[in-house]
Amino acid sequence: EPEVTQTPSHQVTQMGQEVILRCVPISNHLYFYWYRQILGQKVEFLVSFYNNEISEKSEIFDDQFSVERPDGSNFTLKIRSTKLEDSAMYFCASSEFTSGSGDEQYFGPGTRLTVT
Amino acid sequence: GESVGLHLPTLSVQEGDNSIINCAYSNSASDYFIWYKQESGKGPQFIIDIRSNMDKRQGQRVTVLLNKTVKHLSLQIAATQPGDSAVYFCAENKGVQGGSEKLVFGKGMKLTVNP
Repeated sequence: EPEVTQTPSHQVTQMGQEVILRCVPISNHLYFYWYRQILGQKVEFLVSFYNNEISEKSEIFDDQFSVERPDGSNFTLKIRSTKLEDSAMYFCASSEFTSGSGDEQYFGPGTRLTVT
Repeated sequence: GESVGLHLPTLSVQEGDNSIINCAYSNSASDYFIWYKQESGKGPQFIIDIRSNMDKRQGQRVTVLLNKTVKHLSLQIAATQPGDSAVYFCAENKGVQGGSEKLVFGKGMKLTVNP
């Protein structure tokens, strides 16, 4: 069964450093998403991406964040200058298409980002 | 184990019992609802979904009920098994016609199945 994959599984970085989290969505999917989950809390939406551009972003997704689809298979989340409060589990998700009323989003296993 | 953050409500059941997990959603414009299961250290896993033109949908051992009048969603798990132990999240989505594809997740409930 096809699945979303993410690398690395755990990333430790120092405050102020740049990190890039990588995702390979399911191959025939057209919509891509990043969510994050701070330890013990609920999953929060960051950004959605379709047709090589951001289609929606949350207030969390400020100028320090960017997303890119550098090739036909990868989808990346970059945090330019990490802060302690960026420590969280970051999940990538993808969906096949939007039928006008939501479509199942498949989640990857996540990357645990620890900022020290 | 995880010990910081919001305290999760917990439901403990005996193996073989039926479980009911409830969720109240806030946005009356939402028209797509999903239940996800999250095991420790893993990403959310799709269980079942329902669109707003339905009030009940059944899957294998799971049933989702939607009450739009009171904005309430429930997940029923029949004959609960130890492998069902996880945190369960409801999520809502307004869909493209509603102007948003993002999923808005609820706080979650931890289900513990005792053998």
